[in-house]
Amino acid sequence: QRVLTQPPSVSAAPGQRVTISCSGYKSNIGDNYVSWYQQLPGTAPKLLIYDNYKRLSGISDRFSGSKSGTSATLTISALQTADEADYYCATWDNYLNAPHWVFGGGTKLTVL
Amino acid sequence: QLVESGGSLVQPGGSLRLSCAGSGFNFGDYEMNWVRQVPGKGLEWVAHISARGNVKYYVDSVKGRFIISRDNAQRLLLLDMNGLRDEDSGLYYCARDLIGGDYGMGLWGHGTTVSVSS
Repeated sequence: QRVLTQPPSVSAAPGQRVTISCSGYKSNIGDNYVSWYQQLPGTAPKLLIYDNYKRLSGISDRFSGSKSGTSATLTISALQTADEADYYCATWDNYLNAPHWVFGGGTKLTVL
Repeated sequence: QLVESGGSLVQPGGSLRLSCAGSGFNFGDYEMNWVRQVPGKGLEWVAHISARGNVKYYVDSVKGRFIISRDNAQRLLLLDMNGLRDEDSGLYYCARDLIGGDYGMGLWGHGTTVSVSS
């Protein structure tokens, strides 16, 4: 079972825009919907984006998602210090006909 | 909400049962998952169960050792963990899938801690 590839860390200044990439394979990202999660320090993960680009109710429109082929991207605009957190992508994987969820390794966002 | 319980310190080779109680929604309509996290590390999906409990999937590392089940009448998600190993230590979250053809884990509990050590 394979994990999705994310950069370990990204950083940007308040007010700027940052993108977090998530790379996979046809069996996971290529053939399935991607979701994105925010995990603030010491808390449980929270769903931000589902079905590649849909924002969960109550999530700021500063968060947006996209997918192309076997890669997905989370974009956070107008960065705020409160956005400092770990971000994870996830999707279903049908590799070898053994369905399972798979997460990315996570990306730590630092707001300078 | 989702509230996990059952985590504790257990010796290698031991067994443990985790529970997750759901409230505030129609528990039996939702597919459910267990996801774990070693402190300071990333999320790892562990197991998934369909709404009726008849379809189950597991990460390779726990196949044959862990069993996911549910009791919809009691609104409970369960994880029976056998043959525990050091690498099974971590914070175990239960997470509820979205419904209606959407894909994502839309509701998470706060987790229960499993420590496997001699």
